[in-house]
Amino acid sequence: EIVLTQSPGTLCLSPGERATLSCRASQSVSSNYLAWYQQKPGQAPRLLIYGASSRATGIPDRFSGSGSATDFTLTISRLEPEDFAVYYCQQYGSTLRTFGQGTKVEIK
Amino acid sequence: EVQLLESGGGLVQPGGSLRLSCGASGFTFSSYAMGWVRQPPGKGLEWVSGISFNAGSIYYAASVKGRFTISRDNSKNTLYLQMDSLRAEDTAVYYCAKDFYSGSGSFFDYWGQGTLVTVSS
Repeated sequence: EIVLTQSPGTLCLSPGERATLSCRASQSVSSNYLAWYQQKPGQAPRLLIYGASSRATGIPDRFSGSGSATDFTLTISRLEPEDFAVYYCQQYGSTLRTFGQGTKVEIK
Repeated sequence: EVQLLESGGGLVQPGGSLRLSCGASGFTFSSYAMGWVRQPPGKGLEWVSGISFNAGSIYYAASVKGRFTISRDNSKNTLYLQMDSLRAEDTAVYYCAKDFYSGSGSFFDYWGQGTLVTVSS
């Protein structure tokens, strides 16, 4: 099983600031099959990024993904009020898919 | 519009059973893999199980293998999760999710709103 470790656990930032979230895999993720999701309280997760760097339909371009093999990053270029949420990475390079433990982005 | 609606959650005693259902609409259900993801209260997401478009490939997380069974009825546009030998640690909101591809093993582009399963005496 591929273990995904996200850091930091919590990120305290102000609107307009840049957010950088990390996701590290215990082994190389096949074909960079790494996705990012956003989850707000009481809601289901929403797909943001797949294939490490492709934005899902309707996702603003302030969200970007990068990385390969074992190190991946989600960047939010300028935080909007609606971006404060929990973010999860997920690998699907293995048939046993796994999620990271999440990074909470909260208002400073 | 893609819609996924879970049902069947509730309170069950340890060792008991429950069957979750997920009704799908707004897309060709029989063409896509599906999966279940759970989230214990206040905690993160855990992938539970996945099934390919024709049920030819099925996978389970180690934590539920041998106790949970995923299935689908393409004629009814419905996904199921039979949960047996339930434990307290199975308490969670269970989400039904649509795979981006037909074969099981991709990312989830649509999610239901979830159904809460509570295992307690």
